[in-house]
Amino acid sequence: DTEVTQTPKHLVMGMTNKKSLKCEQHMGHRAMYWYKQKAKKPPELMFVYSYEKLSINESVPSRFSPECPNSSLLNLHLHALQPEDSALYLCASSQDSAAAGELFFGEGSRLTVL
Amino acid sequence: RKEVEQDPGPFNVPEGATVAFNCTYSNSASQSFFWYRQDCRKEPKLLMSVYSSGNEDGRFTAQLNRASQYISLLIRDSKLSDSATYLCVVTTSGTYKYIFGTGTRLKVLA
Repeated sequence: DTEVTQTPKHLVMGMTNKKSLKCEQHMGHRAMYWYKQKAKKPPELMFVYSYEKLSINESVPSRFSPECPNSSLLNLHLHALQPEDSALYLCASSQDSAAAGELFFGEGSRLTVL
Repeated sequence: RKEVEQDPGPFNVPEGATVAFNCTYSNSASQSFFWYRQDCRKEPKLLMSVYSSGNEDGRFTAQLNRASQYISLLIRDSKLSDSATYLCVVTTSGTYKYIFGTGTRLKVLA
C-alpha cells in the first residue's frame, strides 16, 4: 500500500471545466512534488514544494495551479486544459532536499481532457 | 547529452535468465542513486537504492561506478513477474531535482 494518497484516481474533464487533484502524505515529509507522465515516457517534474513553499516551477503553463495548504497536503488546480494535457499525474514526497532520499509516489490520477 | 541515459530496450529474456541494465549520468556531483520499477499504468515504486559499496536484495544487485559515472542493475533467475519498466533515478543533495532516465523495458518470457 502506498503511503501517498491521491484522489481522484481517474478524472475526465472538458476544456472549460475546473477541477482539482489532491494528494496527502502522513510520513512527515517536507518536500512534495507533482509529476506528469505520458505513456512510455518517464515522469516529468512540474512543481516542488519544500516546507510548504513553492521551490520549483518547471515553466508549467498557468492552467495548472499548485497549492500546498499544509505540510501533508498538496493540490493541483486545473482550468482550461487542453487535450494534450491528458496524462497520469503523480504526486510524490521525500524527507527534504538535504537527505536526497527516495521519492515515495502516490498511485496517480489519470486525467483525460476531452 | 541527456543527464541520465538508459537503453530503452525492450529486453526480452527467458525465465531463469540473468539480465543486466546500465544507466549513465552526466553530473559528477550526483549523490543519490535509485532503481525504480514501474508496471504498466501504475506508479513507480522503489526497487533499490544504490550505495557506493554496491548492494544486493535477493535476486537483485545494484552497483555504482563513480569513476565512470554509471549504475547497474543485475537481475538473476528472472521471473515472469519481473516484467516491467526499470527507471534509473539520480539526484543531488540540496536540490529537489530527481532526474529520471527514460526507463528500460524488460519482458520475461515463459
